[in-house]
Amino acid sequence: DGGITQSPKYLFRKEGQNVTLSCEQNLNHDAMYWYRQDPGQGLRLIYYSQIVNDFQKGDIAEGYSVSREKKESFPLTVTSAQKNPTAFYLCASNRPGDFYGYTFGSGTRLTVV
Amino acid sequence: GQNIDQPTEMTATEGAIVQINCTYQTSGFNGLFWYQQHAGEAPTFLSYNVLDGLEEKGRFSSFLSRSKGYSYLLLKELQMKDSASYLCAAAIKAAGNKLTFGGGTRVLVKP
Repeated sequence: DGGITQSPKYLFRKEGQNVTLSCEQNLNHDAMYWYRQDPGQGLRLIYYSQIVNDFQKGDIAEGYSVSREKKESFPLTVTSAQKNPTAFYLCASNRPGDFYGYTFGSGTRLTVV
Repeated sequence: GQNIDQPTEMTATEGAIVQINCTYQTSGFNGLFWYQQHAGEAPTFLSYNVLDGLEEKGRFSSFLSRSKGYSYLLLKELQMKDSASYLCAAAIKAAGNKLTFGGGTRVLVKP
């Protein structure tokens, strides 16, 4: 079955470390997105990519980096420059004109220890 | 810029009706989505409105007024399992239907 796989489900990071969150989709979707969600709040856009080898900053890109070398994959790196990285991270994908909006991954919960 | 507002929290009784309002100000508007999200899980699609009017799907209905920048989600015959957060999101056509989300409305259903 087609879908989006995020891994790991839970991730613990020490202060000053970089960590990479994986997002893979087999839906043949062109666009992929990374959102951050803090407790009791909505989703805020970190980065998005509408085509391979191209990506744009969202509203809260500082302290994060991405790559889009393959259509299926859109990994997110949380760098040490991100001062408050503890959050729930959601990856999503879509096709322009898709009336179901996004297909979401199951999320990664990142905690700084 | 984009701005989407919805109430933070609502409480209702099992079997009752609750209406969650959403107002938006976006450029390049291309439709309004509603998602349901249980704690710790990914959002799941509920409805999409691009034209003015009411869309009904079982116990859930969604309404859109483009001229007023307003939408609502109506939940009827509330069940305990409807306790969740409900996210309003506007699609931006120029950005390939990128979604901008409101802060979410947490609905608590009481017996």
